[in-house]
Formats: sequence, structure tokens, C-alpha cells
Amino acid sequence: DAGVTQSPTHLIKTRGQQVTLRCSPKSGHDTVSWYQQALGQGPQFIFQYYEEEERQRGNFPDRFSGHQFPNYSSELNVNALLLGDSALYLCASSLGQEAFFGQGTRLTVV
Amino acid sequence: QQQVKQSPQSLIVQKGGISIINCAYENTAFDYFPWYQQFPGKGPALLIAIRPDVSEKKEGRFTISFNKSAKQFSLHIMDSQPGDSATYFCAANSGYSTLTFGKGTMLLVSP
Repeated sequence: DAGVTQSPTHLIKTRGQQVTLRCSPKSGHDTVSWYQQALGQGPQFIFQYYEEEERQRGNFPDRFSGHQFPNYSSELNVNALLLGDSALYLCASSLGQEAFFGQGTRLTVV
Repeated sequence: QQQVKQSPQSLIVQKGGISIINCAYENTAFDYFPWYQQFPGKGPALLIAIRPDVSEKKEGRFTISFNKSAKQFSLHIMDSQPGDSATYFCAANSGYSTLTFGKGTMLLVSP
């Protein structure tokens, strides 16, 4: 059983560009959450998707948007990238409260 | 407002010793308290979790102690090994699995 998989693993973008990150949840999991983890910090909740709808959202600007597909996979989109968006982006899938994380996508904005 | 406070920020323990990490929470609606282990460049891995109706849970060398009245919980790592060197995060949630994390503890187990 594959766990949570994220792609790409690393990404370098220029300020002002747009980026799309992808996540495939653990088999049987219907809920996908996205987190941003800055260096030396704990993960910060961005938003959560369930049944293709955004169910909850953290304190992130509208530049951050997402989508969930019928197969429960998900995308995170960030527009107008800022240097401060450089971070490890984590996807977590869950069925109930137990959440499992992928290995993350390291985004560097230059 | 930080809803989960974690201490210490860093910890050095000798091999074979006990590592203890503490967390305190404010939101009494929290009903699930997991601990995650994270190695550099990797995603957090679920170690062990507890619910408020239990005061202690043990899995192998890892034990969670929970004090509902004090709104505190802690992770104990018995017989700490160099391979346990990592960053540990406590977390809490209620409802739909939106986790609130502590700031993390960097554990170094010296050989």
C-alpha cells in the first residue's frame, strides 16, 4: 500500500510565477490537507479538502488555492509567488482524525 | 495565538537515557493528540497518539502521558538511541483532522 505521495520533490521558481503541487492520498483516505512548513517551524495549516470541496482554511491569502479530484488526489496552487513562500509544502491524507504525511515538496522562490 | 505550546526547543540525551518532551494546550475542544517524528528533508511520521479518556499510552519505547485537568501531555522515549535523533512535534485537533502543531523539539541522542 503506497503511502501519501507528493510531486515534485523539489522545485525552484521565480518571484511572481505560479506553481502547482500535487498529492496522492493513502489508499482509502478521502480527506486531504495541505500544510506549509518554514525552516525550523512546525507545519502551518493551509486548507483541507473533502468530497472535492474546501472544508476548512487556515490563515493564508487567496493566492493559495486548491482542488480535489474525484479520486481524492489534490493540487495546491500558489499564484504570484513571493520569496516568503519558500518552504516545505506537506500534504496529509486522513480517514477520521489519524493523518499521514507525504515526504513534502521543497519550494524555493528566487 | 499559539494553541499548542511545546518544550523544550532542543534536547540532548545520552544513549540509553529517557527523553521527555512536554506540550500544553488551551483549546478544551481538542480530542486527539498525536506525536510526529520528522527527519531532515522528510515529512512528519505519525509516532503515537492519545485521546483524553486515556491517561497513558505505550507503544514500544514511546509513551504518551496525558493530564486532562492540567491540559498537558508529554512524550517519553525510553532507552533513547542515536537513531531517535530527529525533530518531534506534538499536535492536537478536533473534528476534521486539522492539526495544530507545537513548534517542535530537536532531539539529539549522543552515542
